[in-house]
Amino acid sequence: AQKVTQAQTEISVVEKEDVTLDCVYETRDTTYYLFWYKQPPSGELVFLIRRNSFDEQNEISGRYSWNFQKSTSSFNFTITASQVVDSAVYFCASAYSGAGSYQLTFGKGTKLSVIP
Amino acid sequence: DTAVSQTPKYLVTQMGNDKSIKCEQNLGHDTMYWYKQDSKKFLKIMFSYNNKELIINETVPNRFSPKSPDKAHLNLHINSLELGDSAVYFCASSQLAGVSGANVLTFGAGSRLTVL
Repeated sequence: AQKVTQAQTEISVVEKEDVTLDCVYETRDTTYYLFWYKQPPSGELVFLIRRNSFDEQNEISGRYSWNFQKSTSSFNFTITASQVVDSAVYFCASAYSGAGSYQLTFGKGTKLSVIP
Repeated sequence: DTAVSQTPKYLVTQMGNDKSIKCEQNLGHDTMYWYKQDSKKFLKIMFSYNNKELIINETVPNRFSPKSPDKAHLNLHINSLELGDSAVYFCASSQLAGVSGANVLTFGAGSRLTVL
């Protein structure tokens, strides 16, 4: 079984500040996948990134960047120069092969509030 | 064209009633899911179907019965509704996990069920 821990329940930052959302995962599998999803106030779940366990390269997409470190079992997400539209609940998730398919296990989410 | 559509978006009903939530995807995906998001935003998988066959059935009361008439549809029927069933239910779909590993889930907008 896998477990995903997002220790930060809520974070508030002032617009234009950088913010890092932490994600720590536990797994016994050698092959696994990590994800981040965003849930804005409107409620839908928006995919942000997928990373497999064999690819430890960090990724940058605009103001978003992800730092995957197997040594610390972490997959942290940084937003640079935050904006009000970044206010949302962010979920980290992991997937492992179970019952013939990949089952996504979510962390409890971090609610980010960006104050203008 | 909505990729994963759920109806209804809101459902308010009395305890003891039976209700259904419908889900359809037009992405050509093989696998569909139901997730439950409770009042604390915790997302937990309930069921997963691949090509109309049940492949994941988490510990969910048997009052919940998923039905997949074809691979583009996965409906959720709930009998004898209880107060604790109040939640947001998300349908999702993905390509079958295969050589490329765990595929990205595309979520519907959610159906908010309130049991009075």
